Amino acid sequence: DAGVIQSPRHEVTEMGQEVTLRCKPISGHNSLFWYRQTMMRGLELLIYFNNNVPIDDSGMPEDRFSAKMPNASFSTLKIQPSEPRDSAVYFCATQQGWSETQYFGPGTRLLVL
Amino acid sequence: SQELEQSPQSLIVQEGKNLTINCTSSKTLYGLYWYKQKYGEGLIFLMMLQKGGEEKSHEKITAKLDEKKQQSSLHITASQPSHAGIYLCGADFNSGGYQKVTFGTGTKLQVIP
Repeated sequence: DAGVIQSPRHEVTEMGQEVTLRCKPISGHNSLFWYRQTMMRGLELLIYFNNNVPIDDSGMPEDRFSAKMPNASFSTLKIQPSEPRDSAVYFCATQQGWSETQYFGPGTRLLVL
Repeated sequence: SQELEQSPQSLIVQEGKNLTINCTSSKTLYGLYWYKQKYGEGLIFLMMLQKGGEEKSHEKITAKLDEKKQQSSLHITASQPSHAGIYLCGADFNSGGYQKVTFGTGTKLQVIP
């Protein structure tokens, strides 16, 4: 298996632009997590999906952030409009059932100018 | 997260030396996770501890959870350059539901050959 796939790996955009980050989970994993990592705040959970349904979005910072999971093999995290303080590394992680392991993707490094 | 503190923040050791990283929670946890992150990459799962007093080992890495389930330590024996990276502890404070992990601030480990 290729593991969790994220795209793009790097994104540079200007303030006010829309940014879409993508994640392809490991086949058969029914839980998906989006995290954000910054120097100041560390690694934070943004949203959790189970069987394609958003279960916990309490970590989503504000309305500019939205996430979808239209099917078991694809999820997106969208920021509209983007701001410089959104600059961070965004990770997608997936999990199978009640396994103790979350498998992380390589991350998308976002820079908003 | 202030709920979870890691120490030290960074560590430089000579190859072959032993080292310990600590993770302290401000409240009782229901699962304690150790992950390793290399620069520019996602997190890799190392171990999970759940029961008070539990200890697990994998190769030269041993993790322990105290009886009160508020403190964990990660011990590396005879460190090697391959052990270098950022070690993050994560805690699940939920007694039920999904694996909602709150991560510590991380410990950056350098191993000098």
